[in-house]
Order: sequence, then structure tokens, then C-alpha cells
Amino acid sequence: DTEVTQTPKHLVMGMTNKKSLKCEQHMGHRAMYWYKQKAKKPPELMFVYSYEKLSINESVPSRFSPECPNSSLLNLHLHALQPEDSALYLCASSQEGGGGETQYFGPGTRLLVL
Amino acid sequence: AQKVTQAQTEISVVEKEDVTLDCVYETRDTTYYLFWYKQPPSGELVFLIRRNSFDEQNEISGRYSWNFQKSTSSFNFTITASQVVDSAVYFCALSESSTFNNDMRFGAGTRLTVKP
Repeated sequence: DTEVTQTPKHLVMGMTNKKSLKCEQHMGHRAMYWYKQKAKKPPELMFVYSYEKLSINESVPSRFSPECPNSSLLNLHLHALQPEDSALYLCASSQEGGGGETQYFGPGTRLLVL
Repeated sequence: AQKVTQAQTEISVVEKEDVTLDCVYETRDTTYYLFWYKQPPSGELVFLIRRNSFDEQNEISGRYSWNFQKSTSSFNFTITASQVVDSAVYFCALSESSTFNNDMRFGAGTRLTVKP
């Protein structure tokens, strides 16, 4: 059983909608990550939270807004997305966010923007 | 700057064949970590192995084995007696210990298809 869960599994939204992706980890980790993965490409890092503080924002458009309510939960709020934002969104966690730590991934949310 | 190259875009084998997936990396750090992940069609990235730069011992786990050679900056992955369930995209990744935020660089991935 995966210890990183993500909801929903699939999401279809219009360009004017507001939606949220949710991630939860049950490993006691203090770092959590959002990645975006387009078809046939590797994952691209979007955001990193370490001890509930945002430590990386890889020049992601403001229509993506992360939130870390506590060390076990990570949200990604979506607003006014574009069709090119359609992708697999992966959440991951690691012990503290230090270099070299293993990241454990959730099953992902497949997002389609119409 | 760290970089990972997986030159094999797609590999197709018949069940029970052995297959090796290549990974070549670049880094200026002396302390770094290499990873392999498996991504089946369901989408989840499954962690397979983590190896630090000071440990060049090869590792075997069941049908999986890894060959780490610092002299050639390679960290290759071999599946022995492949099975249909091994069909997936496999990513090699690199993380430098000096990276505060654990920025992991992925290779482009190798799509492995195992035919019955």
C-alpha cells in the first residue's frame, strides 16, 4: 500500500474553474513536493515544502497555488488554468528535504483542462 | 550543474530475456546520490534503489541488479529474466548532497516493453 495518497485520481476542469489537488503522507516526513509530468517526459519539480515552509517555487505561474496546512498534508489550488496545464500531477515526500533523500511518490492526479 | 542521460528511449524484449537500462550522469559534487524509479502505466513512481557516491558495490535484489561505476559516471540497471509486469518507464535520477532543497534531476526515462 502506498503511504502517499492523492485525491482525486482524475480531474477534468474548465479554464474558469477553481479546483484543488490533495496529497497526504503517513510516513512522518517533514518535506513534501509537487511535480508536474507531461506525457513522455520526466517529472518537473514545481514546489517544495520543508517543515511546512515553502522552500522552492520553480517559477511556476500564479494560477498554481500550493498550501501546506501541516507536515502531513499538501494541497495544490488551481485557478484559471490553460489547456497546456493538462498533465499528471505527482506529490512526493521525504524525510526533511535535504539533498540526497529518497522521495516517495503518490499515485498522481491526471488533470485535463478543457 | 547536474545532468542525467538515459540514451535508450524505448526498449522491447521478449519475456525471459535479460535487459540492461543505461544511465550516465554528470555532477561536480563529490557527494551525490543516484536513484532508479519505475513508472508503470498507472502513473505512480515506484522507488527501486538509492546509491551514494561512496558506495560502488553492485547490488542485487531478486531479478534486479545495479552496476555503479564512478570511472564512467554510469549507474546501469539490469533486469534478469524479464516479465510482462516489468513493462514500465524507468527513470534514473541524481541528487547532490549540497542541494539544500533535494532537487532531484531525472533522466528522460526509458520505456521498457516486455512481450509475452
